[in-house]
Amino acid sequence: GENVEQHPSTLSVQEGDSAVIKCTYSDSASNYFPWYKQELGKGPQLIIDIRSNVGEKKDQRIAVTLNKTAKHFSLHITETQPEDSAVYFCAASWGFNKFYFGSGTKLNVKP
Amino acid sequence: GAGVSQSPSNKVTEKGKDVELRCDPISGHTALYWYRQSLGQGLEFLIYFQGNSAPDKSGLPSDRFSAERTGGSVSTLTIQRTQQEDSAVYLCASSPSSGAETQYFGPGTRLLVL
Repeated sequence: GENVEQHPSTLSVQEGDSAVIKCTYSDSASNYFPWYKQELGKGPQLIIDIRSNVGEKKDQRIAVTLNKTAKHFSLHITETQPEDSAVYFCAASWGFNKFYFGSGTKLNVKP
Repeated sequence: GAGVSQSPSNKVTEKGKDVELRCDPISGHTALYWYRQSLGQGLEFLIYFQGNSAPDKSGLPSDRFSAERTGGSVSTLTIQRTQQEDSAVYLCASSPSSGAETQYFGPGTRLLVL
C-alpha cells in the first residue's frame, strides 16, 4: 500500500516568515494530494490540494508543489500569521476512495 | 448548513467493555470514512462506505472493530472488548460522492480506555 512520510514534525517560525512542509509518497499510482489543517480539538480541514497533472497550485498565501518523478510534494505558507499555528497533514490518494496521511507537522508562528 | 457531527465527543471506558461511536454525515453525502488518530500521529484509515456498495474494511486493525452504515446515512463504529491501545481520537468524514476529493471531517470522538 501507499506510505506517506512528512517532515518536519514540528516547525517554529517568526510571524511574517515563510514555512515549508514536505511529504514523500511511495505509490506512483497516487494522483491526488490534499493538505489539511487541524486546529486543537477540531477535525482536519482541507486547505489546498493538487492533482498529479499539475505541478503547482496557489491560493493566496498558500501554495503546493508536486514533483511526480521524485514522488514528493510540499506546502508553502508565506507571510505567516499567528492564526496559521496548527497541525498540518499531507495525504495521498488514488481514486479518492482511500486516503493515506502523513504523520503531521505542528506549526508554531511566533508573534 | 450542518457539518459532520459525532457523538459522544468524549468517551471513557474500562478495558474489556464494548463502545459505540456515532457519525452523522452531511445530508446527501454518499461517501463516509472512519479514521483513527493516535496522540501525535497522523490519521489511520479504518473503513470507507460508498452508497450501497460493500464497504472497504481493509483498514480495520482487528476483528474487534466493526462498522455499519444504516440507510446510507448514519454510521456506527463499534469496538468490542476494548484495549488500552484503542485509546485515540476517532474521526469521521463524509464527501458528496464517489470520486469527490473534499472530505469534510467531524470533530472526532476522544476515546480513553482505562
